[in-house]
Amino acid sequence: DTGVSQNPRHKITKRGQNVTFRCDPISEHNRLYWYRQTLGQGPEFLTYFQNEAQLEKSRLLSDRFSAERPKGSFSTLEIQRTEQGDSAMYLCASSFAGPGDTQYFGPGTRLTVL
Amino acid sequence: KQEVTQIPAALSVPEGENLVLNCSFTDSAIYNLQWFRQDPGKGLTSLLLIQSSQREQTSGRLNASLDKSSGRSTLYIAASQPGDSATYLCAVINRDDKIIFGKGTRLHILP
Repeated sequence: DTGVSQNPRHKITKRGQNVTFRCDPISEHNRLYWYRQTLGQGPEFLTYFQNEAQLEKSRLLSDRFSAERPKGSFSTLEIQRTEQGDSAMYLCASSFAGPGDTQYFGPGTRLTVL
Repeated sequence: KQEVTQIPAALSVPEGENLVLNCSFTDSAIYNLQWFRQDPGKGLTSLLLIQSSQREQTSGRLNASLDKSSGRSTLYIAASQPGDSATYLCAVINRDDKIIFGKGTRLHILP
């Protein structure tokens, strides 16, 4: 088990472009979380999945953001029509069951919108 | 609304000293509390997780305490080393599954 992986590690894009990030959780973890972290702040919850079902979405997740976990394994986070305010580190985490279990974080994808 | 505050925001201490990082939260109805370490530009590494029924957890030179009634947790680091330099994040997990992070304490251990 190699832990949670995220790709790409870095993404630079121009304003208005669409970007997609991928997260591969620890195998057999059925919960998968997405967070956003801006400089000097702690991570902020965006959304999470229990298997393939998206159970909750934060108000931070505008309609330009969409996340999927089609087979209950890897997940993608897409941002359409990127804005400079979307520049941040996007973190993915997985856990085995629920909130009582430790979340294991990936290395993150750093997005820079020019 | 749950709010998590970490004090101090930054801390520099000489190598070998013992130190305490503080975390406070406004709503005591939490499921558990977790301390993470984050190196610059990296993801988060879990250090200690304390269930709401527990008062402390220990791992090596790290000890975390939890006082739910007063809404406080501390992370104690013994005999600090330069490799301990990082940002330490406190996170509370509410019973509605929401996870709220503090802004972190940036720790620098001076060799």
